[in-house]
Amino acid sequence: GESVGLHLPTLSVQEGDNSIINCAYSNSASDYFIWYKQESGKGPQFIIDIRSNMDKRQGQRVTVLLNKTVKHLSLQIAATQPGDSAVYFCAETPNTGNQFYFGTGTSLTVIP
Amino acid sequence: DSGVTQTPKHLITATGQRVTLRCSPRSGDLSVYWYQQSLDQGLQFLIQYYNGEERAKGNILERFSAQQFPDLHSELNLSSLELGDSALYFCASSVVSGGLTGELFFGEGSRLTVL
Repeated sequence: GESVGLHLPTLSVQEGDNSIINCAYSNSASDYFIWYKQESGKGPQFIIDIRSNMDKRQGQRVTVLLNKTVKHLSLQIAATQPGDSAVYFCAETPNTGNQFYFGTGTSLTVIP
Repeated sequence: DSGVTQTPKHLITATGQRVTLRCSPRSGDLSVYWYQQSLDQGLQFLIQYYNGEERAKGNILERFSAQQFPDLHSELNLSSLELGDSALYFCASSVVSGGLTGELFFGEGSRLTVL
């Protein structure tokens, strides 16, 4: 089966610092990757995505880096804010199957 | 608001019972996914439908079944419920264009408690 895992289950950062959340995947055929944010009691929300033909993509305060050689994905959040506190999931799909597999999640806590 | 609607939001039932969870995807999305999220766990893929047909199956128990109707809404049926089935069940929808899958849009989930 698919294996998408996160290196750290929890992460605490000071407000204003940058956060880096990592994710490893095992399927070399994975074509499309998404980072989701899940706040307590809510469904996951899309943050940013990247396709396998790219190695970096930037959004507002967020950057996703993809290293296909080592099958590693990271999410960087700049100037982390209290509202960023949530669980972050990476998800991947070997596009041909159109099914997404999610990692366990990393709980980010922002300390004011 | 993601545009994906799930009902009921909360459901409490007893072991051995059967429940049905309902999902209405975003307007225009043909693909519907069901995920299970247990306490402090990730999202476990259960099953995917595309335009009424089963597209992919994940770790879905034989006691569970799903279908997608002509109007594209989907139902997840859970039977012979066990305590361990207590979880959040999420529905998500996506558009598939040009053979490429778009992002998943999630509903708010249905929280099932089996007593």
